[in-house]
Amino acid sequence: QSVLTQPPSVSGAPGQRVTISCTGSSSNIGAGYDVHWYQQLPGTAPKLLIYGNSNRPSGVPDRFSGSKSGTSASLAITGLQAEDEADYYCQSYDSSLSGSNWVFGGGTKLTVL
Amino acid sequence: EVQLVESGGGLVQPGGSLRLSCAASGFTVSSNYMSWVRQAPGKGLEWVSVIYSGGSTYYADSVKGRFTISRHNSKNTLYLQMNSLRAEDTAVYYCARVFGIAAGAYYFDYWGQGTLVTVSS
Repeated sequence: QSVLTQPPSVSGAPGQRVTISCTGSSSNIGAGYDVHWYQQLPGTAPKLLIYGNSNRPSGVPDRFSGSKSGTSASLAITGLQAEDEADYYCQSYDSSLSGSNWVFGGGTKLTVL
Repeated sequence: EVQLVESGGGLVQPGGSLRLSCAASGFTVSSNYMSWVRQAPGKGLEWVSVIYSGGSTYYADSVKGRFTISRHNSKNTLYLQMNSLRAEDTAVYYCARVFGIAAGAYYFDYWGQGTLVTVSS
């Protein structure tokens, strides 16, 4: 069971908007730690999509946006495209664990209908 | 251009050992924080270990005492020595560069392509 909770799957038609939630607790997201998002296309390595809650690395389309509030965060994808079909993971830091402990959500599979 | 290339994965029996390597280019491993992240077949991502530029190392509880992260500065390469391997260690292992201003804000900005480790008799 992952420390951060994501829905197992979401879907949307091309052109639509979808959101993926990432729910944590007072020892991670709620403690003020940043949330980051990764996109994993089938058979490939994860790729950084959003860092610091809402910042996009160079080259990531502005169709992707992130937000954070309280103990949760969200990834929004607008103007859905076929190539967005992938697994998406949120990541944060958890202070309840010893040492350096970065935690991931269980991942959400996005299907473009 | 930043590039990370893992190697060393394979099939190993339970209780055995394996050393993974991650050759970096485009930046200096010893000047950065570097991590290993793994993904069991069909499962999500799990952080495994980190080595800071100063040499401090940290591990997930699931591998503490069995895995050792290290680096070779002149080869610009990161390693993960895995001992006492278990079936549940079966996964694709990714090396990743860590970036950010503090532990609570760190993220993984570059990833290798991964190397598969299978622990089975």
